[in-house]
Amino acid sequence: EIVLTQSPGTLSLSPGERATLSCRASQSVSSSYLAWYQQKPGQAPRLLIYGASSRATGIPDRFSGSGSGTDFTLTISRLEPEDFAVYYCQQYGSSPPVTFGQGTKVEIK
Amino acid sequence: EVQLVESGGGLVQPGGSLRLSCAASGFTFSSYAMHWVRQAPGKGLEYVSAISSNGGSTYYANSVKGRFTISRDNSKNTLYLQMGSLRAEDMAVYYCARQDGSGRRHFDYWGQGTLVTVSS
Repeated sequence: EIVLTQSPGTLSLSPGERATLSCRASQSVSSSYLAWYQQKPGQAPRLLIYGASSRATGIPDRFSGSGSGTDFTLTISRLEPEDFAVYYCQQYGSSPPVTFGQGTKVEIK
Repeated sequence: EVQLVESGGGLVQPGGSLRLSCAASGFTFSSYAMHWVRQAPGKGLEYVSAISSNGGSTYYANSVKGRFTISRDNSKNTLYLQMGSLRAEDMAVYYCARQDGSGRRHFDYWGQGTLVTVSS
């Protein structure tokens, strides 16, 4: 089973700043099967990025994804107040299991 | 509009059973693989189970294998999770999620979740 490790655990930033979130896999992941989700308190996760770098429908262009192999990054270019949330990476190989990273919390500094 | 609405959560004693449902609308349910993901209070996302579009293939995480059964009724546009031999560590919000149909396999829509509490 592929283990995803996200860092940092918590990111304390101010609105307008740039956020860089990391997701490292224990073995190579196909870029086609790497996604990022945003979750706010009391809400279901929301798809942000799929295929490592494609934005989901309705996602603002301040969100971008990159990476390949074992290292992937989610970047939020300028944090808006509504972006403070927990972010999860997810991989899905050729068959289950799906695995999620443990999450990165982006909090207001 | 795609909608996934879970129901069936509640309080159950350790060792008990519960059946969760996920009612789907706004898309051709029978064309999509579906999944269950859970989240214990204050914790991250944990993958639970999957079922193919026609129900012919299923998958379970080791933590629930032999105790949970995923199924679907495509005529009713509904996904199920039969949960048995429940333990304290099964207490969580359970989400159903739709797998993208393009081959990328991410989860493009999620329900709002239903809370399962395991306690005596």
